[in-house]
Amino acid sequence: GAVVSQHPSRVICKSGTSVKIECRSLDFQATTMFWYRQFPKQSLMLMATSNEGSKATYEQGVEKDKFLINHASLTLSTLTVTSAHPEDSSFYICSARFGLSSIINSPLHFGNGTRLTVT
Amino acid sequence: RKEVEQDPGPFNVPEGATVAFNCTYSNSASQSFFWYRQDCRKEPKLLMSVYSSGNEDGRFTAQLNRASQYISLLIRDSKLSDSATYLCVVNLNAGGTSYGKLTFGQGTILTVHP
Repeated sequence: GAVVSQHPSRVICKSGTSVKIECRSLDFQATTMFWYRQFPKQSLMLMATSNEGSKATYEQGVEKDKFLINHASLTLSTLTVTSAHPEDSSFYICSARFGLSSIINSPLHFGNGTRLTVT
Repeated sequence: RKEVEQDPGPFNVPEGATVAFNCTYSNSASQSFFWYRQDCRKEPKLLMSVYSSGNEDGRFTAQLNRASQYISLLIRDSKLSDSATYLCVVNLNAGGTSYGKLTFGQGTILTVHP
C-alpha cells in the first residue's frame, strides 16, 4: 500500500489564486520530504527540500515566496503555489524517505502526485 | 553535461524480447543508485536499487560500473505490462540534510507490443 499520500490528485484553478497541496507520510515519520515538479515529457526536477520544524531549502531558480512550504509535523508537509499562473501548470510530486534517514541507500517513496492546471 | 543522462528512446520491442537501458552520471562522488518506473501521468515507483556487485530481481538485472560512471538495467522476457518510462536515479549528495536529494534522468520510454 501507499506509504506517502498526496492530496489533491488534481486541481484546476484560475490565474491569480493560490493552491495548497498536502503530502502525508503514512505510518512513519518523515523529518525530510522533497517536492518535485514534472513538466510534460520532461524529467522530475527537485524544487525544494522540506525540513520539519525549520525552513525549507529551495533549489536554484525556484522562488521561495511563490512556492511556500510548511512542514509543521513529522507526517505532513504542504506546498502552496501562490498567485498561480498558467506556466505553473505541472505535475507536482512529493516524496519521503521510508526508513532510517542515515541509510542513504534507502529509496524514496512518492506520493501519487498533483496535476495542477491554471487557466 | 547533464548530471544523469539516459537514452530517451523510445524502445519498441515485442513480447518476450530482452531489452537493455543505459545511464551515465557525471558526479563520481554519487553514493546510491536506483531504477524507477513511471507509468503515464502517474508518480514514479521504485523498481530496484542498484548495488555495486550488481543485482537481480526476477526478470530485471541492474549493473553499476563506478569506474565508468555507468548504470544499466536489463529486462528479460518482456511483458506488455513492462511498457512504461524507466528513470535512472542517482543520489548525488551523501551527507547532511541532502541525503535524500535524488537527481533523475529524463527517462527511457519502453513500449512492449504483442
